[in-house]
Amino acid sequence: AQKVTQAQTEISVVEKEDVTLDCVYETRDTTYYLFWYKQPPSGELVFLIRRNSFDEQNEISGRYSWNFQKSTSSFNFTITASQVVDSAVYFCALSEAFGGGSNYKLTFGKGTLLTVNP
Amino acid sequence: KAGVTQTPRYLIKTRGQQVTLSCSPISGHRSVSWYQQTPGQGLQFLFEYFSETQRNKGNFPGRFSGRQFSNSRSEMNVSTLELGDSALYLCASSLDRELYEQYFGPGTRLTVT
Repeated sequence: AQKVTQAQTEISVVEKEDVTLDCVYETRDTTYYLFWYKQPPSGELVFLIRRNSFDEQNEISGRYSWNFQKSTSSFNFTITASQVVDSAVYFCALSEAFGGGSNYKLTFGKGTLLTVNP
Repeated sequence: KAGVTQTPRYLIKTRGQQVTLSCSPISGHRSVSWYQQTPGQGLQFLFEYFSETQRNKGNFPGRFSGRQFSNSRSEMNVSTLELGDSALYLCASSLDRELYEQYFGPGTRLTVT
């Protein structure tokens, strides 16, 4: 069974600090997808990134960067120079195929509440 | 392009009643998934529909059911409500079968008293 662990329940930083959110996953499949979502106080989950299991290249998007390491089953998310608007709950998620490869389901971690203080 | 819409946004029901929640996916999206979010259990997968067929189902009792219409709009129904059903119910739509990118709606906040 697939599992996603976000060990950090809450993180509090001061604006402009860098912060890394950890994500460790478990899966038996060789083909899977990893995601990060942001959930601001409004409640709507916002898609941030998708990474497939064959692509271990790190990705940078503005102040956001992601470090995917299959050897340690981790997909960590770093926010550089954090801002107050980054305050939200961040979820890591794993999607893997089952039932012959034609069906997929998404398993979420418990989330990390990030608070960025001015 | 309009995003995923969910109605109603807020709902208060009494134990034992039933409730129907609605989700309209992004135009062109054929996959709709439902999730329950509670402080204790986090985000849990309920079920997923693709082209009017339920493909996947999470570990929820039979009181939770859903369906998808030919226009991809989906409804979920919870019968015989229990206090523990109080949660934020999120709907997500995806263009393709592989759930490459799921786009979420704002959710329906259900309170059972």
